[in-house]
Parts: sequence; structure tokens; C-alpha cells
Amino acid sequence: GENVEQHPSTLSVQEGDSAVIKCTYSDSASNYFPWYKQELGKGPQLIIDIRSNVGEKKDQRIAVTLNKTAKHFSLHITETQPEDSAVYFCAASLIQGAQKLVFGQGTRLTINP
Amino acid sequence: SAVISQKPSRDICQRGTSLTIQCQVDSQVTMMFWYRQQPGQSLTLIATANQGSEATYESGFVIDKFPISRPNLTFSTLTVSNMSPEDSSIYLCSVGVRTMNTEAFFGQGTRLTVV
Repeated sequence: GENVEQHPSTLSVQEGDSAVIKCTYSDSASNYFPWYKQELGKGPQLIIDIRSNVGEKKDQRIAVTLNKTAKHFSLHITETQPEDSAVYFCAASLIQGAQKLVFGQGTRLTINP
Repeated sequence: SAVISQKPSRDICQRGTSLTIQCQVDSQVTMMFWYRQQPGQSLTLIATANQGSEATYESGFVIDKFPISRPNLTFSTLTVSNMSPEDSSIYLCSVGVRTMNTEAFFGQGTRLTVV
């Protein structure tokens, strides 16, 4: 089955700097890759996703890149703000049944003012 | 989007007892799932809750331990049976909305502590 590895487990950056979180997946059949943000005491919330027919997707300060050949994808957050502090999870699945997700281990991002 | 309500939000239970967690969605959804998030860990899929039929369990999870019901398109329950301290986790309900075929929405979770 699918296995998703996520790095780093913790990341601390200065406010205004960029943050990058990387994930690799094992199953070449996976074709849907969402990123979730989980704040303390809350459920995960989708922040951006990408399908395998696209190499990059951007939404304001957040971007995701996908390298199908290498089977890795990354989350990029620019101009970080204190409210970006949270745990971020990458995930992978098939588009057919996309809600059935295999998650990475999570990255605790801390933005230092 | 979908608004998901889980009850209870948290509970402390004695070992050997059972707890039933409810998941209510504000609209009809095609897919409902239950995930477990152990302390400081990632999310692991327990099962897919199928409307009107038995749930589909992932490897490592069995019906006797985690019985699931889904009587209609907006409601599901997960029971954690014969609990032990190792069952202490956050249990999350997730749904896929009929008109949005990829995004998965999550409830706020039920934080379970077994003592």
C-alpha cells in the first residue's frame, strides 16, 4: 500500500521568511496530493491540493509543487505570519476515492515574531 | 463545504468500557470515514462507513473493536469497544461531499483518554 514520508517533523522560521515542507510517496498510482493544516484542538483543514497532471499550483502565499518522476511533492509558504503556526500534514490518494487518504507524519511549524 | 459535528468532543473513560462517538453532517454526503490520530502522531484511516451496509475496515482494524454504523447519508457512529489505555487518541470523522469529488472535510475530533 501507499506510504508517505514527511520532513521535517518540526520547523521554526522567522516571521516574513519562507517555509518549505517536503513529502515523498511510494505508490506511483497515487494521483491526488492534498495538504492539511491542523490547529490545536481542531480537525485538519484543507489548504491546497494538487493533481498529478499539474506540476505546480499556487494560492496567494501558499504553493505546492509535484515531481511525479521522483514521487515527491512540497509545500511552500512565503511571507510567513504568526497565524501560520500549526501542524501541517501532506497526504496522498487516488482521485477516485480521494477522500481515503494516507497521511504523512506531520510538520509542526512555528513562526517566530 | 460541509459542517461536521462530532460528539462528544472529549471524554475520559475507564478501561474495559466502550464509548460511542457520533458524527453528524449538515448535508448529504457520499463518503464518510473514521480516522484515528494517536498522541503527537499522524492520522490513520480506520474504516469507510457505508450507508446501509457493513463498514470497510483497513488493515489492523476490526469490526469487533471498532463497530461502525451509518444509518443514513448524514450520520455515522464509531464505537471504541473494551477500551485500553492504548486506545487513547483523537478520533476524527471525515466526509466527501457529493458535488466536490476530491476534498475531504474533517470534524473537530473526539479526544479520548482511557484510564
